[in-house]
Amino acid sequence: DAGVIQSPRHEVTEMGQEVTLRCKPISGHDYLFWYRQTMMRGLELLIYFNNNVPIDDSGMPEDRFSAKMPNASFSTLKIQPSEPRDSAVYFCASSTKRITVNTQYFGPGTRLTVL
Amino acid sequence: AQSVSQHNHHVILSEAASLELGCNYSYGGTVNLFWYVQYPGQHLQLLLKYFSGDPLVKGIKGFEAEFIKSKFSFNLRKPSVQWSDTAEYFCAVNPSRRSGAGSYQLTFGKGTKLSVIP
Repeated sequence: DAGVIQSPRHEVTEMGQEVTLRCKPISGHDYLFWYRQTMMRGLELLIYFNNNVPIDDSGMPEDRFSAKMPNASFSTLKIQPSEPRDSAVYFCASSTKRITVNTQYFGPGTRLTVL
Repeated sequence: AQSVSQHNHHVILSEAASLELGCNYSYGGTVNLFWYVQYPGQHLQLLLKYFSGDPLVKGIKGFEAEFIKSKFSFNLRKPSVQWSDTAEYFCAVNPSRRSGAGSYQLTFGKGTKLSVIP
């Protein structure tokens, strides 16, 4: 299995630009999570999906952030417009309750730098 | 809501020294507990987990953790560290589904950086 795949691995953009991060979960997993990691705040859950449906988006910082999961094998996290304080590493993780309750498998992350 | 505290922000050890990283959580019900490791420049990987049963859990690479319910703790241990153990270690918790209030969200601690000196 290829594991969770994220793209791009690195993104550098200017303030005000739109940024789209992509995630492909492990095949067969029905839960998908988006996290943000910063030095100041550590690892924070932004949103998670079950069977492509957003279950809890209370961690999404503000309306500039949006996430979608149009099908079981793809999710996006969009920031529009981006700001320097959005600079962080964004991780996607997936899991399934059918095998082991809530063991989450993480992708390699996208390091976002907003200038 | 649950929370996780990792008391050591940065630990520096020499090779062959013993390791213990503290993790305490706050939640009144039954929990699932995890330790993840993040090697420099890499993603988080599961080190070990506790769901039920024997409170002493053995994970990969010689790590183990002990769940002490009365202390709300899940400390990570390794008898003899190696330079390759240099990484950041995260403790995480989520309410157990068995408790009826479970969810699939993980709450992570802030992490502990471990530096092992050859």
